[in-house]
Amino acid sequence: GAVVSQHPSRVICKSGTSVKIECRSLDFQATTMFWYRQFPKQSLMLMATSNEGSKATYEQGVEKDKFLINHASLTLSTLTVTSAHPEDSSFYICSATGGGDYGYTFGSGTRLTVV
Amino acid sequence: AQSVTQLGSHVSVSEGALVLLRCNYSSSVPPYLFWYVQYPNQGLQLLLKYTSAATLVKGINGFEAEFKKSETSFHLTKPSAHMSDAAEYFCAVSSPPVFGKGTRLSVIA
Repeated sequence: GAVVSQHPSRVICKSGTSVKIECRSLDFQATTMFWYRQFPKQSLMLMATSNEGSKATYEQGVEKDKFLINHASLTLSTLTVTSAHPEDSSFYICSATGGGDYGYTFGSGTRLTVV
Repeated sequence: AQSVTQLGSHVSVSEGALVLLRCNYSSSVPPYLFWYVQYPNQGLQLLLKYTSAATLVKGINGFEAEFKKSETSFHLTKPSAHMSDAAEYFCAVSSPPVFGKGTRLSVIA
């Protein structure tokens, strides 16, 4: 079946630094990838949608300059949290779809802690 | 805008008992509906999805859900709970999925 690999699974960074999270589709071409954020004991909130080769579309209230998304190939999307602050600490999950059949495959998530 | 409401943030059942997790949706168009399960510190696994075919949808691990348009509901059921079913369950609507707040299922031995 479709597999999405997300890396790293956990990262701790200092306030003010940037962190990059990778999301790869291993056995299919992901025409569209999605990035979600999940606060403790809460639901997943869609942050942005990215299509290969084009700029990401951000949901209302998401700072595009803070959360940089790159979808340079059909198998890789990256989320860079720039100038991270403690309030950016969260669980980030990516999802990918190859189109059709409304199949969304999720990565295993990245726990970001900013200290 | 499309949204889902999951009734009950926490449901506790005995092992072997019926599992019922409730989800109501709001959608102005025929919805696409999903149920996902999340284990601690992991991503989401699709249990089942409704895409306007059969109203009774069978998923993995013995779960099923019934789409009821008149009630705008898509409740998730399993006849007999196992300890391994303890997890967080999310109902979602639309494409890409818009998630409910989740229901934590506890299974008591």
